[in-house]
Amino acid sequence: SQQGEEDPQALSIQEGENATMNCSYKTSINNLQWYRQNSGRGLVHLILIRSNEREKHSGRLRVTLDTSKKSSSLLITASRAADTASYFCATDSGTYKYIFGTGTRLKVLA
Amino acid sequence: ETGVTQTPRHLVMGMTNKKSLKCEQHLGHNAMYWYKQSAKKPLELMFVYSLEERVENNSVPSRFSPECPNSSHLFLHLHTLQPEDSALYLCASSQDLMDRVWEQYFGPGTRLTVT
Repeated sequence: SQQGEEDPQALSIQEGENATMNCSYKTSINNLQWYRQNSGRGLVHLILIRSNEREKHSGRLRVTLDTSKKSSSLLITASRAADTASYFCATDSGTYKYIFGTGTRLKVLA
Repeated sequence: ETGVTQTPRHLVMGMTNKKSLKCEQHLGHNAMYWYKQSAKKPLELMFVYSLEERVENNSVPSRFSPECPNSSHLFLHLHTLQPEDSALYLCASSQDLMDRVWEQYFGPGTRLTVT
């Protein structure tokens, strides 16, 4: 079944560094979304990128999409301790169902 | 705050108990969802409602029973649960199901422990 799989599973960086997370999926998509989840909380939508887009920016976030490789990356620049969270990609295939991956746990050390 | 609230935030129940989880959205959305999040597993979609009609029942055991009395409220009734049902249960809403490009707004979740 289609599933977004994030890589790496865990990432630890120093404050101020950039963090890059990757998402791979298996079948064609209409769009891909990234979400953030703080420990034990709900998910918060970060950014959506459509299948005909290659790159999107939102503040310190930069998302790329390569449909030929069926992959996306999320870059967080100049990371802060408050960015510590789990990050998930969610993919759709034209239905209302979004498939979430297992997430990347990011820890930003002050 | 995302406009989606869930109560209770924590729940401990025995396997013979009956309890209900409540979700309320204040966003005027037409679609609502229940997800289950277990440790080290992808988020699992359980149920989807659109305009109070269930459009998805994702092979969920009958010990989980959803109810959507109106587009703002969603319940998950629990009975005779198993320890493996312990998880974080997340409610979400979105504007619509007709527009396929939408974001979901999640509540904070209910941490359920079945003893």
